[in-house]
Amino acid sequence: NAGVTQTPKFRVLKTGQSMTLLCAQDMNHEYMYWYRQDPGMGLRLIHYSVGEGTTAKGEVPDGYNVSRLKKQNFLLGLESAAPSQTSVYFCATSLLSGTEAFFGQGTRLTVV
Amino acid sequence: QQQVKQSPQSLIVQKGGISIINCAYENTAFDYFPWYQQFPGKGPALLIAIRPDVSEKKEGRFTISFNKSAKQFSLHIMDSQPGDSATYFCAATSDDRGSTLGRLYFGRGTQLTVWP
Repeated sequence: NAGVTQTPKFRVLKTGQSMTLLCAQDMNHEYMYWYRQDPGMGLRLIHYSVGEGTTAKGEVPDGYNVSRLKKQNFLLGLESAAPSQTSVYFCATSLLSGTEAFFGQGTRLTVV
Repeated sequence: QQQVKQSPQSLIVQKGGISIINCAYENTAFDYFPWYQQFPGKGPALLIAIRPDVSEKKEGRFTISFNKSAKQFSLHIMDSQPGDSATYFCAATSDDRGSTLGRLYFGRGTQLTVWP
């Protein structure tokens, strides 16, 4: 039982490159989230999904897109990476709203 | 508008001492208040959580105190140990599925260091 798995764990991108971060969960949870963590800023919500085929914007959605074609996967895309997107990205899931969230191990992304 | 405000940003405590981290929230619709613990290089993990029908919840050395009227809650770590050194996040959410409040709102975190 893997829980929440993020791929990749580390990545270095050049400005303007694109990439996709994958979050996979085997807990059959409805809710999935993408957060970014920056020093002194806590965890800021980028996008989230309340079920397969649905997505919604969080606090800092600009420059990111997401898709949830399958219930177990939540993809975060960067179309044209910028140095301001250098961060640690966390995926999280929860069974329902108002319940415990489970986090992945994170993806450390550096944009140069 | 920051929905959950957390203080202090950093905290240094001696081994055996009490660590106290405070949070305040804005929206009275929140009804689930978890605390997460994060070690370097790891994702946050649930430490303890409380719902507003009780004023206190204790699990081992960790206690949440909840003041509904003041819209505040706090984490107390008794007999703090070097192994407790981590970043702690408070959060708030609602089980109202039809509302955007149904997701976690996090405080900005407190970096706790416990000196041996």
